[in-house]
Amino acid sequence: EAGVAQSPRYKIIEKRQSVAFWCNPISGHATLYWYQQILGQGPKLLIQFQNNGVVDDSQLPKDRFSAERLKGVDSTLKIQPAKLEDSAVYLCASSSNSGNTEAFFGQGTRLTVV
Amino acid sequence: GQQVMQIPQYQHVQEGEDFTTYCNSSTTLSNIQWYKQRPGGHPVFLIQLVKSGEVKKQKRLTFQFGEAKKNSSLHITATQTTDVGTYFCAGNTGRRALTFGSGTRLQVQP
Repeated sequence: EAGVAQSPRYKIIEKRQSVAFWCNPISGHATLYWYQQILGQGPKLLIQFQNNGVVDDSQLPKDRFSAERLKGVDSTLKIQPAKLEDSAVYLCASSSNSGNTEAFFGQGTRLTVV
Repeated sequence: GQQVMQIPQYQHVQEGEDFTTYCNSSTTLSNIQWYKQRPGGHPVFLIQLVKSGEVKKQKRLTFQFGEAKKNSSLHITATQTTDVGTYFCAGNTGRRALTFGSGTRLQVQP
């Protein structure tokens, strides 16, 4: 079974630039999550999708972050404009059911904002 | 909002010693999951606990869920160098996404 695919693996941008991350979840998984993991901290939820609908985006900084999951499969997360404090690993995860089943994580995208 | 706290933040043990990490939630949880993240890697699922007072074992790892479903622990017996990594607990209520703790980083000295 193929895992969660993310790209790119690494990205370095200057502050105020924009960046986009892509995620392809495990086939058949209805629930998709984007987490932000700052060095030394636990993953923090940014947004949760159930199919192509948003379940929870309460911690997404909507003035600069946006995410979509067209057709309920792949997802993209965008930051525009980036700030220095956005430097982190962005993890995409998927699960067959929200909340009460294990989440499968991708390798993550390490973003450095300079 | 829901908060999940873990202690200790860091533990350094000699190979063969035991290790325990504790997790506490500010709210009653539907279930709690444990993940391991190796240095430079991504979180990998270890186990899920659902019932009050539940205890599960995986070889040298023992997981407990508190009676009030607000706390949990992970105990590793006789640590090995392969146990190195950060252990996260993650809890949720209902169908909401997991809230992760801050993690306990385990270092094992050979």
